[in-house]
Order: sequence, then structure tokens, then C-alpha cells
Amino acid sequence: EIVMTQSPATLSVSPGERATLSCRASQSVSSNLAWYQQKPGQAPRLLIYGASTRATGFPVRFSGSGSGTEFTLTISSLQSEDFAVYYCQQYNSWPWTFGQGTKVEIK
Amino acid sequence: EVQLVESGGGLVQPGGSLRLSCAASGFTFSSYSMNWVRQAPGKGLEWVSYISSGSSTIYYADSVKGRFTISRDNAKNSLYLQMNSLRAEDTAVYYCARDLVRGIPDYWGQGTLVTVSS
Repeated sequence: EIVMTQSPATLSVSPGERATLSCRASQSVSSNLAWYQQKPGQAPRLLIYGASTRATGFPVRFSGSGSGTEFTLTISSLQSEDFAVYYCQQYNSWPWTFGQGTKVEIK
Repeated sequence: EVQLVESGGGLVQPGGSLRLSCAASGFTFSSYSMNWVRQAPGKGLEWVSYISSGSSTIYYADSVKGRFTISRDNAKNSLYLQMNSLRAEDTAVYYCARDLVRGIPDYWGQGTLVTVSS
């Protein structure tokens, strides 16, 4: 099973600032990496797939990068609606696995 | 509009059974593979099971293999999860999710809570 490790666990950021979230895979997943956003009491929402393709409905301030074992989600200028938990997930091999999540909170 | 509505959750004793259902609408259900993903209270996400559009390919997480069975009825636009021999660690919100492509759920239901407790 591929283990996904996210860092940091919590990221405190002021509105308007840049946020950088990291995700590391225990072995290469190529570009088969997705990111999800989850707000309290809601289902996860697909944000990025293919490591860098933005899903429908998300603005350009969200961007993903990386391949192999190291991935990054960047939110260029945090808005109030962006404070949430973000999960990375690999779909290179079954079982598809998630990271433990990074909570982006208001500083 | 794509909609996924789960039902069937509730309180069950350890060793008991439950059958979850997911009613799909707003898309051609028979063309998409589907998934069950769960989230224990206050915890992260765990993939439970996957089923291809025609049911020819099915995967289970090791934690549920032999106890859970995924199935679908394309004529009824419905996905199911039969859960037997339930354990306390199965307590979670269970989400039904449609695949954009294999392994990438793009639409999720709101989830149904399963609580396993005596």
C-alpha cells in the first residue's frame, strides 16, 4: 500500500497570503495524484487531478505541481472560503490512498 | 445536475449487518464506475470499495475484504454496500462517489452515518 504523507498538519495563514501544502508518496505515483477540499459538515470536493489539472469550479488561485513522490498544492492568495481541510490522494495503484490532511486555518 | 443520495445508515451492534444504498441521478449511471469512501468521526478519508461501470472489476480495502460487498443495479441507477460482521472501527460516515476516471471521484454524496456500538 502506498502511504501518503501531508505536511504540515495545520497551516495558519492570513487572508490574502500564499499557502503551500505538501504531499509525499512512499513510492512513485507518477502524476496520478489528486487533491480534495473538505469544509466542516460537507463531503470532499475534487480540486486537482493529474497533479496539476484544476477541477471544474475552482479559481486559478489554486494550482498543483509535482510528480513521482513529491507534490505541492499552492493557494496564491487565500480567501475566506478557502479555509478548509485539504487531502491528497494517489490513484496510481489500488488501494487508492489519502494523506491525513492539512487544515488551513485563519491566522 | 448530478446527485448522489446515500441511505441506510444507522446504529447497529457489533457483528450486525447493514445495507447502504446510493441513488444516482442527473447522469448516465451505467457509464460510470462508482466508489464507497468512509470517514471516521474527526478522522481522514479511507477508500472502502470500487466497482466498474459494468461490475466486471471490483476492489475492496483489506480492512473490509470478506465482510463487505459492493454491487450496483444500472437499471435502478443505484449503488449498494452490504456490510456484514460490523466492528466498532467501521463507525464512519460512508460516502458514495462517482468516478471522473478510475480513481478520481468527482461527485460525492452527503454521506450516511454508520455507528457500530453496543
